[in-house]
Amino acid sequence: RKEVEQDPGPFNVPEGATVAFNCTYSNSASQSFFWYRQDCRKEPKLLMSVYSSGNEDGRFTAQLNRASQYISLLIRDSKLSDSATYLCVVSPRTGGFKTIFGAGTRLFVKA
Amino acid sequence: DTGVSQDPRHKITKRGQNVTFRCDPISEHNRLYWYRQTLGQGPEFLTYFQNEAQLEKSRLLSDRFSAERPKGSFSTLEIQRTEQGDSAMYLCASSLGPGELFFGEGSRLTVL
Repeated sequence: RKEVEQDPGPFNVPEGATVAFNCTYSNSASQSFFWYRQDCRKEPKLLMSVYSSGNEDGRFTAQLNRASQYISLLIRDSKLSDSATYLCVVSPRTGGFKTIFGAGTRLFVKA
Repeated sequence: DTGVSQDPRHKITKRGQNVTFRCDPISEHNRLYWYRQTLGQGPEFLTYFQNEAQLEKSRLLSDRFSAERPKGSFSTLEIQRTEQGDSAMYLCASSLGPGELFFGEGSRLTVL
């Protein structure tokens, strides 16, 4: 079983749609959680951290369910510029070390 | 440009040759990571340095791979006796403590 699993998609949605991605992780000792965004042929960049209480940044909302070991990302009012691969990222303990990336979920937003 | 820089950006080599990649992290960052990424996959962890100490290395990394960070600044990743399966993008990232990893643009390796 992979340490971090994501639905690879692709998700094809129209502009303005709401789309949600889920990610599951296998290590119950995991402490830090993130969503990264990767554009085609570019390096990954941090989108947002994920906190136990959930957090929101504009149109993006991230949530963590420790009991079920999954993380979610909700994108509201999708824009064409949101088209990218979204990577779920888990660190086994606070402090980085072996930070593990999921395979990513591809999103295409169409006009 | 004060971001993470990697060199070379592209490397084409023949099977069996050795290759070396260099990473210059953001200057004040004490943590440095190497990842490998193939098409359609997420970055795969290879190794991690805190200052000059290599604190973690993936079990997936064969003995042909070695990484160093001699003075806690730049790092090198060497692959000996390259195989076609080594063809990938090699990404370096740095961070200041826990939290956000800042990636370089990567070094793309093609093994013929």
